[in-house]
Amino acid sequence: EIVLTQSPATLSLSPGERATLSCRASQSVSSYLAWYQQKPGQAPRLLIYDASNRATGIPARFSGSGSGTDFTLTISSLEPEDFAVYYCQQRSNWPGYTFGQGTKLEIK
Amino acid sequence: QITLKESGPTLVKPTQTLTLTCTFSGFSLSTSGVGVGWIRQPPGKALEWLALIYWDDDKRYSPSLKSRLTITKDTSKNQVVLTMTNMDPVDTATYYCAHSGATSLYFDYWGQGTLVTVSS
Repeated sequence: EIVLTQSPATLSLSPGERATLSCRASQSVSSYLAWYQQKPGQAPRLLIYDASNRATGIPARFSGSGSGTDFTLTISSLEPEDFAVYYCQQRSNWPGYTFGQGTKLEIK
Repeated sequence: QITLKESGPTLVKPTQTLTLTCTFSGFSLSTSGVGVGWIRQPPGKALEWLALIYWDDDKRYSPSLKSRLTITKDTSKNQVVLTMTNMDPVDTATYYCAHSGATSLYFDYWGQGTLVTVSS
């Protein structure tokens, strides 16, 4: 089973700053990686799929990059509503989708 | 628009079987490429994928839980059912169902989730 390791566990930043979140896979997942945002008490929301494609309605400040084993989610300029938990998920190693353990993005 | 909603018991006893129903609208599970999956999240913890069923009745399960899970669909009722046997307190979690699109192949629409507590 492919393990996804996200770093850092917690990221403390201020609105307007740039956020860089990392997801590393234990073996190559090609570009089959997605990013989700989850706010307290809410279901996750798909942000990025296939490493770099923004999902419908996702603002341009969210971008994804990477392939193989190393992936990055970048939020170019943090808005107050961006503070949440972010998860990566791979769909390469069928039959097993796996999620990372999450990165909490908190207000500094 | 696409909506999904989970339903089922909020409390189950250890060793019992959990049956959850996902009722959806705004898409058909007979459309090529479409799937519905189940994901759970213990309180304060990360997401865990459980199972996925496709339009053609192809079924996929988490390897670690495969022996306990069964996923089925009723296309005429727009429902997907997940059963999990031999429930344990560690299975206490919010259970989500989600739509997997034919284009993105990821979970692009989610239900609100239902909290299931396992306790005697």
